[in-house]
Amino acid sequence: SQTIHQWPATLVQPVGSPLSLECTVEGTSNPNLYWYRQAAGRGLQLLFYSVGIGQISSEVPQNLSASRPQDRQFILSSKKLLLSDSGFYLCAWVEHSTDTQYFGPGTRLTVL
Amino acid sequence: QKEVEQDPGPLSVPEGAIVSLNCTYSNSAFQYFMWYRQYSRKGPELLMYTYSSGNKEDGRFTAQVDKSSKYISLFIRDSQPSDSATYLCAMASNYQLIWGAGTKLIIKP
Repeated sequence: SQTIHQWPATLVQPVGSPLSLECTVEGTSNPNLYWYRQAAGRGLQLLFYSVGIGQISSEVPQNLSASRPQDRQFILSSKKLLLSDSGFYLCAWVEHSTDTQYFGPGTRLTVL
Repeated sequence: QKEVEQDPGPLSVPEGAIVSLNCTYSNSAFQYFMWYRQYSRKGPELLMYTYSSGNKEDGRFTAQVDKSSKYISLFIRDSQPSDSATYLCAMASNYQLIWGAGTKLIIKP
C-alpha cells in the first residue's frame, strides 16, 4: 500500500530564515505530487505540482519554490520566509485512475 | 465567482441527527467528485469518491452528485461526536483538483 511522509511535523522559524520541507512517497512509482498550503480556517491553496523528476508547475507566484530530485521525493523551499508564509503545508499524491489525492500528515509552519 | 462554493459553517447539530453538507460548482467538465474529512491539525482523508452523477453509499455516509444542477451533497446518518471535523468537497478534471473551502461540522453529544 502507498504511504506518504512529511517532515518536520512542526516548525517555528524567524522571518527571513530559509525553509526546507520534505515529502516522500512509498509504494508507488512516478506519482503526481502536490504541495498545498492551508491557512487557519481556510481551504486548500495549491502551490506546486509535479508530474515527474525535475518537472515543477507553480500555481501561485510567491517566495516559495519546489524541487523534485527523485521520483518519490518532493521538496518545498524558501530562501527568506515571510510572516504570511505561516500555515499548514500538505503534500499529496494522486491516484491516476480516479484523480483522487491522498495526503500526508502535514507540516505546521509558524513564522515569527 | 469561485469554481466551487461551499458554506464554511460552522454547522452544529445534536448527536444522532442527519447531516447534509453541500457544494455547488460552475465547471461542467468535472467528472470526479470527492469528499474529504479533516480533523484538526491533520491532513485531509478521502471519505467518499463518486464518478459522474448518482448516489454512493458507504455505511452512514451517502454521496450524491447532480450534474444537471452542478450540486453535490454528503449525507451523514446517525451522526456521532467523532464525526466532528471539517468536510471538504473536491472536484477533478485532468489531474487537477478544485477544492471547496470546507464546512466545519460540530456534533453535540
